[in-house]
Amino acid sequence: AQSVTQPDIHITVSEGASLELRCNYSYGATPYLFWYVQSPGQGLQLLLKYFSGDTLVQGIKGFEAEFKRSQSSFNLRKPSVHWSDAAEYFCAVARFSGGYNKLIFGAGTRLAVHP
Amino acid sequence: NAGVTQTPKFQVLKTGQSMTLQCAQDMNHNSMYWYRQDPGMGLRLIYYSASEGTTDKGEVPNGYNVSRLNKREFSLRLESAAPSQTSVYFCASSDPDQAYEQYFGPGTRLTVT
Repeated sequence: AQSVTQPDIHITVSEGASLELRCNYSYGATPYLFWYVQSPGQGLQLLLKYFSGDTLVQGIKGFEAEFKRSQSSFNLRKPSVHWSDAAEYFCAVARFSGGYNKLIFGAGTRLAVHP
Repeated sequence: NAGVTQTPKFQVLKTGQSMTLQCAQDMNHNSMYWYRQDPGMGLRLIYYSASEGTTDKGEVPNGYNVSRLNKREFSLRLESAAPSQTSVYFCASSDPDQAYEQYFGPGTRLTVT
């Protein structure tokens, strides 16, 4: 069965520091992968997605993610974190059934940013 | 475009009470979804609807019913609320022509006492 693991429940970084959030997936075929961000009290917003092609994908707000098939990973990175990046981040893999997708989410990583 | 809207934003119920969570989207999407979010568990799919007139169970459907009223609206009903249904509920929509990206509403925070 498809699954997504985010090993880090909480991460704290200083403003201006680099960030990497880990995501590992289990999926039989080529996965469709997503990163979503949830700011406090808000719904989820798509940061970026990977379907095929270049394994390094760029997203909004200066985020990028790299798909590594050999490691079954899709880690999210940002070179310099801003205080407004404090939020919860979810990795997800799409599972296709009946002609449309269902998303399988990881448990999330909560990011705190120190000034 | 309002995107995906949900009502109410907050609700407190007593055990055994019923209520309906409303969701509407104005993006002309075919597919709609209901998720619940619990700490440490991410989002779990309750029900989904591939298109108007069809609904299917997701990962955690027990205790819930849904109605796809038309293409825009997808409601979630709790017939007899239980404390285990205390959660944040999110509605989402998507369309295959938009590369399967799901758009989420702002959520409904439900507490059952």
